[in-house]
Amino acid sequence: QKEVEQDPGPLSVPEGAIVSLNCTYSNSAFQYFMWYRQYSRKGPELLMYTYSSGNKEDGRFTAQVDKSSKYISLFIRDSQPSDSATYLCAAQNAGGTSYGKLTFGQGTILTVHP
Amino acid sequence: NAGVTQTPKFRVLKTGQSMTLLCAQDMNHEYMYWYRQDPGMGLRLIHYSVGEGTTAKGEVPDGYNVSRLKKQNFLLGLESAAPSQTSVYFCASSYQKGKLDETQYFGPGTRLLVL
Repeated sequence: QKEVEQDPGPLSVPEGAIVSLNCTYSNSAFQYFMWYRQYSRKGPELLMYTYSSGNKEDGRFTAQVDKSSKYISLFIRDSQPSDSATYLCAAQNAGGTSYGKLTFGQGTILTVHP
Repeated sequence: NAGVTQTPKFRVLKTGQSMTLLCAQDMNHEYMYWYRQDPGMGLRLIHYSVGEGTTAKGEVPDGYNVSRLKKQNFLLGLESAAPSQTSVYFCASSYQKGKLDETQYFGPGTRLLVL
């Protein structure tokens, strides 16, 4: 079983829809959680970064972490065609390693059509 | 400030050939990483480096070697390419752990096809 599981989709929504992207994880040592966005034929870029449980909002994007159920979510409000990309969740230990090892989910392919 | 750059962008190899992928960063980052990305597998760490002159194995190191002779460069070598190494390779870099910004910044990727 992968430490971070993510439904690969693909997910197709109309412009303006609310999008919900989700991941589950199994390692209780994970403390930091990220969402990366990857456009076609590009490298991933950091979208959201959260520590422990709770919500974090940035414009149309909200990241949510529920450590009790080991569940990570990304919500996109008023989705735009420019949001069409692959979204990767990632998790990181707070300590125990000397480098910032990230464990990635498989990625969800999102298409927002006009 | 170019960030993280990778060369080449695309390469076709025959089985058994060797090649080196170059990663360069101009952000003075201590940590550098090599990942491969395959459909349905997400990003998997091949090797990483926590500083100039140091390297370590990641999740899928077999068939690859790395070197970090200069802080800004991280090289990934394939000594004898195999079709299973057909993938998209991403380099990333970050500040060392404990710094305020530990974000990993990724390069644009190298597409490798091994025939």
